[in-house]
Amino acid sequence: TQLLEQSPQFLSIQEGENLTVYCNSSSVFSSLQWYRQEPGEGPVLLVTVVTGGEVKKLKRLTFQFGDARKDSSLHITAAQPGDTGLYLCAGTHGSSNTGKLIFGQGTTLQVKP
Amino acid sequence: GAVVSQHPSWVICKSGTSVKIECRSLDFQATTMFWYRQFPKQSLMLMATSNEGSKATYEQGVEKDKFLINHASLTLSTLTVTSAHPEDSSFYICSAEAGSKTYEQYFGPGTRLTVT
Repeated sequence: TQLLEQSPQFLSIQEGENLTVYCNSSSVFSSLQWYRQEPGEGPVLLVTVVTGGEVKKLKRLTFQFGDARKDSSLHITAAQPGDTGLYLCAGTHGSSNTGKLIFGQGTTLQVKP
Repeated sequence: GAVVSQHPSWVICKSGTSVKIECRSLDFQATTMFWYRQFPKQSLMLMATSNEGSKATYEQGVEKDKFLINHASLTLSTLTVTSAHPEDSSFYICSAEAGSKTYEQYFGPGTRLTVT
């Protein structure tokens, strides 16, 4: 079973603080995606990483794919209340040709003003 | 960008009735669509993979006779919850693969089903 362990599951911080969410697995993933979801809505794709060691930045968000393609992290700098939401990592397994995503448990982030 | 719609956005039905949820890719063709179920403050649980023109592939533990999936065209997949019961109440989300990047999925806005 290919699992994605996401941590922490819940995070409540003050506006302006930094945070990091981790996504780890014992399996190699051919790609990994990060999504953000707000209550009552579908997940919205933030980024896709496919190369080991890859780093992508999206404004205050920095995404990193581990060298071995088994882990990933999402770092948010100077969090704002608008960053509040459920963050999900999801990966596709290298041997799979179905495109089926394996999701982490999710991280519920609350940023207090 | 790739847009996926779902209809209805929410539905309330009585126990024992059936409910159909539609998932459409609006500006692209999707050979493969996926159906997920999500409980409050939890991650998405894949229910089945819907392939255009063929039978859906269900995940372990998902009753195929209860959750009927039809992928009639390259832009439409439907999920029918048959003989619904209160425990089927949940948030159902579909996604579609866009283009040649099979690892990128775009999600619909979800359908909130409440069975009374």
